[in-house]
Amino acid sequence: ETGVTQSPTHLIKTRGQQVTLRCSSQSGHNTVSWYQQALGQGPQFIFQYYREEENGRGNFPPRFSGLQFPNYSSELNVNALELDDSALYLCASSLRLSGTYNEQFFGPGTRLTVL
Amino acid sequence: AQTVTQSQPEMSVQEAETVTLSCTYDTSENNYYLFWYKQPPSRQMILVIRQEAYKQQNATENRFSVNFQKAAKSFSLKISDSQLGDTAMYFCASIFQGGSEKLVFGKGTKLTVNP
Repeated sequence: ETGVTQSPTHLIKTRGQQVTLRCSSQSGHNTVSWYQQALGQGPQFIFQYYREEENGRGNFPPRFSGLQFPNYSSELNVNALELDDSALYLCASSLRLSGTYNEQFFGPGTRLTVL
Repeated sequence: AQTVTQSQPEMSVQEAETVTLSCTYDTSENNYYLFWYKQPPSRQMILVIRQEAYKQQNATENRFSVNFQKAAKSFSLKISDSQLGDTAMYFCASIFQGGSEKLVFGKGTKLTVNP
């Protein structure tokens, strides 16, 4: 069973640029959640995708967008990068079943630095 | 709004001793879950223990146990027989049942186990 993987591991961008981060779900999972973890802080929920549809969003501007593909992998896109976007971006996958909560498994994260 | 507060930014403990990490939360929901996550220096977040709010019995996983006080909205983690591998950031988190299943994290406690 393959765990959650993310790419790239590290990324350096400049203000105003756009970035795409990728996440491969654990085998059998149908839900992907993205979190932003600033230095010294706990992760903050960005959004969640379930069966290719956005299923909940945190307090992040529209320049943060995402996709989920038929194989349940996912992308996080950030446009017009700002210095405050520098953070560790975590992806978590789970198998969502109605009426129950199932554990979210986290990937190792992508460290984004905006200069 | 749902909030999670961890008031201990850093803690240390001697190997083989016991340490307790504190967490309080605020929610108006009746059905929710509480979690402790561990994030070692390698960054991958892993679930340590979970507690369903409707269960009165405190959860236990080997050396890890919780003290869940629902009325006081308190959820502490006790680590017994601390090991060097327990050195990590520990995050308290909560989630509502249903909805988007977004995890709400505290700011974390950095635990160092000393030899």
